[in-house]
Amino acid sequence: QTVVTQEPSLTVSPGGTVTLTCASSTGAVTSGYYPNWFQQKPGQAPRALIYSTSNKHSWTPARFSGSLLGGKAVLTLSGVQPEDEAEYYCLLSYGGAQRVFGGGTKLTVL
Amino acid sequence: EVQLVESGGGLVQPGGSLRLSCAASGFTFSSYAMGWVRQAPGKGLEWVSAISGSGGSTYFADSVKGRFTISRDNSKNTLYLQMNSLRADDTALYYCAKDLSSKSYFDYWGQGTLVTVSS
Repeated sequence: QTVVTQEPSLTVSPGGTVTLTCASSTGAVTSGYYPNWFQQKPGQAPRALIYSTSNKHSWTPARFSGSLLGGKAVLTLSGVQPEDEAEYYCLLSYGGAQRVFGGGTKLTVL
Repeated sequence: EVQLVESGGGLVQPGGSLRLSCAASGFTFSSYAMGWVRQAPGKGLEWVSAISGSGGSTYFADSVKGRFTISRDNSKNTLYLQMNSLRADDTALYYCAKDLSSKSYFDYWGQGTLVTVSS
């Protein structure tokens, strides 16, 4: 069974920078896994932020960026705002047939 | 404006069946793959199933393979999830979501429909 691992929780100060990672139990995450990132706030449906590693949707704030680093997919928030406090999920594609979400990272802005 | 509206959730006994529907509007439904994602109370997101725009290709998570079926009616702009042999661990909020492309998943989401499996 494939497992996608994220940090359970992270804390960042307003205006700071934070990096969230997404690792696969199958080995290094590459662009072929088409990493997607989502934000979910309490009581709301998830919202798509990043697709195919680093591409932003039209509604994604500029302070969000995606990349690959050290065999993991990475979501970086620069100049964090209080409204960025949320749960963040990565999603990886395995061979185009299976998709697996990470367990989520609860980001606290404090 | 893209809209996805799920329906069909409810309380069902273990071993029972339920069919979820997702009514789509605001885009050319047949041009996009669609999928279902669920979230158990207080837990994270779990990918459940996906279907191509034509309906000719379907994919399932191992946890539901053989029990759930995904289908779509492009003439009605509606996505379905037929859930059989339901178990307590299938209890979750079920979201319908639209893909943007083969590399961009779930760019739009519905608000979800709650399925509770309990005796």
